[in-house]
Order: sequence, then structure tokens, then C-alpha cells
Amino acid sequence: QLHLQESGPGLVKSSETLSLTCTVSGGSISSSNYYWGWIRQPPGKGLEWIGSIYYSGTTYYSPPLKSRVTISIDTPKNQFSLKLSSVTAADTAVYYCARHAGSYWKESFDYWGQGTLVTVSS
Amino acid sequence: QSVLTQPLSASGTPGQRVIISCSGSRSNIKSNYVYWYQQLPGTAPKLLIYNNDQRPSGVPDRFSGSKSGTSASLAISGLRSEDDAIYYCAVCDDNLSDWVFGGGTKLTVL
Repeated sequence: QLHLQESGPGLVKSSETLSLTCTVSGGSISSSNYYWGWIRQPPGKGLEWIGSIYYSGTTYYSPPLKSRVTISIDTPKNQFSLKLSSVTAADTAVYYCARHAGSYWKESFDYWGQGTLVTVSS
Repeated sequence: QSVLTQPLSASGTPGQRVIISCSGSRSNIKSNYVYWYQQLPGTAPKLLIYNNDQRPSGVPDRFSGSKSGTSASLAISGLRSEDDAIYYCAVCDDNLSDWVFGGGTKLTVL
């Protein structure tokens, strides 16, 4: 059974860079069959896609966040990572990593991590 | 304001049928597949419907999805207490080159 687990600091200072890692187990991240993505959810609010990456390193980012986001992949470690720069309080959210159901970034997200709350403090 | 419009809330009694709507536009719902997610309190979203009307393995056939033009719907029949959750529609928007989610519908099973 595929399992995704987010890890990283739960508290980040305003203007600094948020860094999270998603560790995948029960399947290979270097499979050509899937994209991998990040989605976030501010407390009490809806879902927002951040971006997605393919095993080859091809990335797609949400346009409003594109200037601040970098997603990378580490196939030997079976991990992919998120960096979000110049954070503000508006970036406080539960961050989820997830797998797309296919080799296209427009496929649904079929497996999700449990999520990790990141709070931006001033 | 979400690009996709969902009712804030819906309710029903056990055994009833409830329909949750999701309204979009030509650049998203009309042009691409619609997905539905169920989110229980404190948990990650779960894929409920993919490609407009397909159920992943393990999702009961009480859940069904449909799409017509720029709108989509999620129907839940034989309502059960465990269906009490927030439901989100999701789709890619060709104009925005972005995934867009509805604001979510809180379903209360009375």
C-alpha cells in the first residue's frame, strides 16, 4: 500500500523559506506512471494546489505561487520536496503531498499524505 | 472567491439522497474531467469520483458523479452518518493553467 509522509518545520518565520519533504513508501517515485504534487489548506478554508513534479524533474506550478515555489525530486531517497520563499501569514496552512493518478499533472490526486501544519510567525 | 461554485452546506436524514452541485465555466468543467473529494474532520481529502463519474476501488456505489456543460454534480444516496463531511469538486482550468477547487460543501447528516 502506497504511503506518503510529509516532514519539516512546523514553524517558519515571516519572510523566510518554508521547506517540506514528502517521503514515499510502498512504491517507487521514479515510476514513469505518476506525477507527484503539493496541495495546501489554510485553517478552516479550502484546498489550493501548489505544484507538481514528474520523476524526470518536469514541474508545473500554480501561477499565483510560481515565483516563490520550487519543487524538486530525489529518486534515490524516494522523496520529493517543496520550497516556498518569502512566506507571510497567508502561507499558514496544512500542507499535503499527494500522488497524481497518472503520468499527467491534470490527473486526480489519488493518494495523500496525512498533512503537516506549517505556521508562519512574525 | 473560488473559480468553482459549490453550496456552502447541504443536509439530509439517513437513507435520503442528496445532490451537491459544482458550477464552473468553459475553461474548466466543460473542457476537463471533474473530480470529487471527501474530507472528514482532521483528515486528508479522499478521492471519491474521478473522470466525472468513475469511482475508485473501495468507494461505495452510493456515490455517483455526473457532468453537463459547465456544471457537475455529486449524488449520495442512502445517506449514512459517516457521510457527514466536507465535499470538494476539483478540475483543471485551461485558461489559468491551474488546478481549481470548489469552496467545499459541508454535508450534515441529521
